[in-house]
Amino acid sequence: EDQVTQSPEALRLQEGESSSLNCSYTVSGLRGLFWYRQDPGKGPEFLFTLYSAGEEKEKERLKATLTKKESFLHITAPKPEDSATYLCAVLGYALNFGKGTSLLVTP
Amino acid sequence: ETGVTQTPRHLVMGMTNKKSLKCEQHLGHNAMYWYKQSAKKPLELMFVYSLEERVENNSVPSRFSPECPNSSHLFLHLHTLQPEDSALYLCASSQFQDSYEQYFGPGTRLTVT
Repeated sequence: EDQVTQSPEALRLQEGESSSLNCSYTVSGLRGLFWYRQDPGKGPEFLFTLYSAGEEKEKERLKATLTKKESFLHITAPKPEDSATYLCAVLGYALNFGKGTSLLVTP
Repeated sequence: ETGVTQTPRHLVMGMTNKKSLKCEQHLGHNAMYWYKQSAKKPLELMFVYSLEERVENNSVPSRFSPECPNSSHLFLHLHTLQPEDSALYLCASSQFQDSYEQYFGPGTRLTVT
């Protein structure tokens, strides 16, 4: 059975304090791994797609990486506006989402 | 209007009511999706439409009935819901069915009393 686990559930950072969010998965035949950002009261916003181990994608202060068992979303020098819930989704036979990591960045 | 819009944004309905959720996408996409988002649970994919044909139905109870009259519009018809159906219902679209670079609407917050 495909599974997606995100950790930590919640993370509080000081502005400028870099960190990483984890998405570990078990899937039979990975067809893609997706990162989304969701702000309160809004739908998820697409960030990245990763297809194969070793692949990396970057956007502003965010960098997503992928191995055969997990993906990391690295946040470098975060700002308060990076506060949101970050969702990971894995496409195998079906698309499965993790529960998300709630990130709070304080000034 | 740009992107994906959903109406209403909030809905309170009794268990015997019938209501419909509406989604419209202005992106020229060919695939549309309904998701359910409950507190402390992962997003659940409910239905997938590609070129107005339903291609996926993830064991959703029959009290939820989707309709896709054209590639820009998607409806979710609701009847005799249960309190546990209270959730945020999200619509999304993508260029093609197998492209999960999806664009989401803001959701409809549904409360079943």
